[in-house]
Amino acid sequence: AQRVTQPEKLLSVFKGAPVELKCNYSYSGSPELFWYVQYSRQRLQLLLRHISRESIKGFTADLNKGETSFHLKKPFAQEEDSAMYYCALYSGNTPLVFGKGTRLSVIA
Amino acid sequence: DGGITQSPKYLFRKEGQNVTLSCEQNLNHDAMYWYRQDPGQGLRLIYYSQIVNDFQKGDIAEGYSVSREKKESFPLTVTSAQKNPTAFYLCASSTNRGQHGYTFGSGTRLTVV
Repeated sequence: AQRVTQPEKLLSVFKGAPVELKCNYSYSGSPELFWYVQYSRQRLQLLLRHISRESIKGFTADLNKGETSFHLKKPFAQEEDSAMYYCALYSGNTPLVFGKGTRLSVIA
Repeated sequence: DGGITQSPKYLFRKEGQNVTLSCEQNLNHDAMYWYRQDPGQGLRLIYYSQIVNDFQKGDIAEGYSVSREKKESFPLTVTSAQKNPTAFYLCASSTNRGQHGYTFGSGTRLTVV
């Protein structure tokens, strides 16, 4: 069965510090990975997809099939990055499987 | 203005009552989904529908029911059989099977009183 693991429930960093939100997945095929973000009092929204290889709001994520990881990175955290982040896996025949989420808190 | 709308935003239910949460989309998406969001649990799939008049159980379907009579609508009923219904419920939709990602509604917070 497909599984997504986000090992950190809470990650606190200082403003301007680098951020890395970890995501590991379990799937034997070729996955499609996503990062979703939920800001306070806002709806869950797509942040980025690995297949598009784009950078959104300074965040990037690289799919590492060898390590089965899709970590989300940003070189310099901003206060407005404080939010709940979810990693999700699409395997082709079932709905998206989400991790349990990591709450990022950026301290001024 | 295209999007996905959930109503109501807040819902209070007495124990033993059934309640129905509404989800409507005007994105012309084929697939719709219901997730339950609890602190520390992430998003757990309740039901999903990839086509009108067809739906499948997710990981935590017990105590819930759905219908998909129209492409635009996918209501979720939380029945009295659901042992712990207090939660935040999220509806989503997608094209085809969701390989491009989902669009989410703003959620309904259900509280049992």
